[in-house]
Amino acid sequence: GAGVSQSPSNKVTEKGKDVELRCDPISGHTALYWYRQSLGQGLEFLIYFQGNSAPDKSGLPSDRFSAERTGGSVSTLTIQRTQQEDSAVYLCASSPSGQSGRHNEQFFGPGTRLTVL
Amino acid sequence: GDSVTQMEGPVTLSEEAFLTINCTYTATGYPSLFWYVQYPGEGLQLLLKATKADDKGSNKGFEATYRKETTSFHLEKGSVQVSDSAVYFCALTGGGNKLTFGTGTQLKVEL
Repeated sequence: GAGVSQSPSNKVTEKGKDVELRCDPISGHTALYWYRQSLGQGLEFLIYFQGNSAPDKSGLPSDRFSAERTGGSVSTLTIQRTQQEDSAVYLCASSPSGQSGRHNEQFFGPGTRLTVL
Repeated sequence: GDSVTQMEGPVTLSEEAFLTINCTYTATGYPSLFWYVQYPGEGLQLLLKATKADDKGSNKGFEATYRKETTSFHLEKGSVQVSDSAVYFCALTGGGNKLTFGTGTQLKVEL
């Protein structure tokens, strides 16, 4: 079946511009996560959505970052006024989270490579 | 907070050599432990996991045992192949569902 998909695969933008990154999770997965992978910081958690609960935003690095998940499915990560340090690969993952969600495998998408010039 | 420490790479081995990649962790409560792998040009995928103390996760000839007394989850394989060349990430889920990753260890296997 279809895995997690992300678009665009690559995004080059100028400093100060806003960008939107999209994630389509695996159908039926109730949990959705955003991470980013950068040379200096490794793999970092950004935000987590679980069903209709309030998202866990504890990993967002600044108020320039926001995310939403519409209809419990597709998610969009928005970065406003991009900075060069935002350059990274942004990864989305989903899982069939339940009560024991922390035991569950997270399925990762291919990522969006963001380059801020 | 939660953290994962894994050995620095890159690790270069000859085919059929024994592999160990060390991983230790700090976490509150009873974390679940994972090894994820990233093959060249591909996305992250789960290699194996263990959800409680003394559990052994295994897949594709790789094994790791959840050692609560030493807070470790070392990855081992008895005989590596060229196709195992990849970056390996140790990770945990602690109090919440989010993954906390180690820095990754690059493995290169040569003929």
